[in-house]
Amino acid sequence: QSALTQPPSASGSPGQSVSISCTGTSSDIGGYNYVSWYQQHPGKAPKLMIYEVTKRPSGVPDRFSGSRSGNTASLTVSGLQAEDEADYYCSSHAVSNNLAQVVFGGGTKLTVL
Amino acid sequence: QLQLQESGPGLVKPSETLSLTCTVSGGSITTTNYYWGWVRQPPGKGLEWIGTINYSGKTYYSPSLRSRITISIDASRNHFSLKLTSMTAADTAVYYCTREENSSVDYWGQGTLVTVSS
Repeated sequence: QSALTQPPSASGSPGQSVSISCTGTSSDIGGYNYVSWYQQHPGKAPKLMIYEVTKRPSGVPDRFSGSRSGNTASLTVSGLQAEDEADYYCSSHAVSNNLAQVVFGGGTKLTVL
Repeated sequence: QLQLQESGPGLVKPSETLSLTCTVSGGSITTTNYYWGWVRQPPGKGLEWIGTINYSGKTYYSPSLRSRITISIDASRNHFSLKLTSMTAADTAVYYCTREENSSVDYWGQGTLVTVSS
């Protein structure tokens, strides 16, 4: 069981917007500004899409955006394109029993209809 | 351009110890802002963070794997390593070496599949 909770699937038509949620606790998502999102195509290594809740690495389209409300972070993909179909994972810095770690969500499969 | 490359056995017997090395090219492993680490992904499943180490040897480990893992760094060779003891079938996964900054992985190796089987 993953530390962060994501819906197993999400979908949208080309051009639409879709949001993926990632729910944690005050010991991870709600407590630190270190939430990240990754995109993974089949057979490939994950790719960083969002870091520090809202920031985009160089080269990531501005169609991808991140946000947070309380203990839930969200990734929004606007203007869906066929190449956005992939698995998406959230992660967060976390502290448990005074020990720091990184925790991942279980992943969301995004389908472009 | 920074590149990370995993190396190690693709097949490990149950109860044995896995040893993987990640060689870093295109940048120095002694850069102070970064942590170097490992993430694994069982076939068809999600990502699991294993742990990280910085240039001075400071480590952070997954609580669920802490008793079985050791991550070390060799600045002279610009590489870092993972040892995972008492391997079982549940440890079968693609193992990625990574670079982290502020708990975010910005560089990933291509991944190496490790299968645990007798």
